[in-house]
Amino acid sequence: DVKVTQSSRYLVKRTGEKVFLECVQDMDHENMFWYRQDPGLGLRLIYFSYDVKMKEKGDIPEGYSVSREKKERFSLILESASTNQTSMYLCASRRNRDSNQPQHFGDGTRLSIL
Amino acid sequence: GDSVTQMEGPVTLSEEAFLTINCTYTATGYPSLFWYVQYPGEGLQLLLKATKADDKGSNKGFEATYRKETTSFHLEKGSVQVSDSAVYFCALSSDSNYQLIWGAGTKLIIKP
Repeated sequence: DVKVTQSSRYLVKRTGEKVFLECVQDMDHENMFWYRQDPGLGLRLIYFSYDVKMKEKGDIPEGYSVSREKKERFSLILESASTNQTSMYLCASRRNRDSNQPQHFGDGTRLSIL
Repeated sequence: GDSVTQMEGPVTLSEEAFLTINCTYTATGYPSLFWYVQYPGEGLQLLLKATKADDKGSNKGFEATYRKETTSFHLEKGSVQVSDSAVYFCALSSDSNYQLIWGAGTKLIIKP
């Protein structure tokens, strides 16, 4: 089974802090994704990466950046955290760009910015 | 552009009832279709998928058939349990759009 591991289940940070969310997958998948999930807004794609050192903006990239230095690890960075970034963050991976490949998700990180 | 529409929830059923959650889509070409489930406080799990017309995906008693003529992928289960209470998401992926296009999710509540 594919295992996608997010570094924290719950995280509390303060406004203005630089926040790192880490995600690791163990199946040598090429693609990785970061989403945020908010009540009434569903799942929204922040950034994704087709392969190592590659990144593409999703639908809501503002206020975020990402890093993919190794194939198995995809990091989401909040450069200067704000209260409107309080949310559930979900990481996913996928074997490759074939449309029939599903995405596999981690358990999520519930981030609170105070 | 591509889109997915799910029935609004919450859907409330009694244990052992028959379940249908409707999902319709708009897409160019021949998308792959997925159902994901999210239990309270957890991430999303792939429930089932279908990659071409008339394919039936199935898992844990849930089924969905890829109907190209009606552009639908409705989720069904013959007899639901309290443990099926969760949020269910329909999604599509097409060759013209390598991301997943998500429905809004349908919350299912099963009462004993």
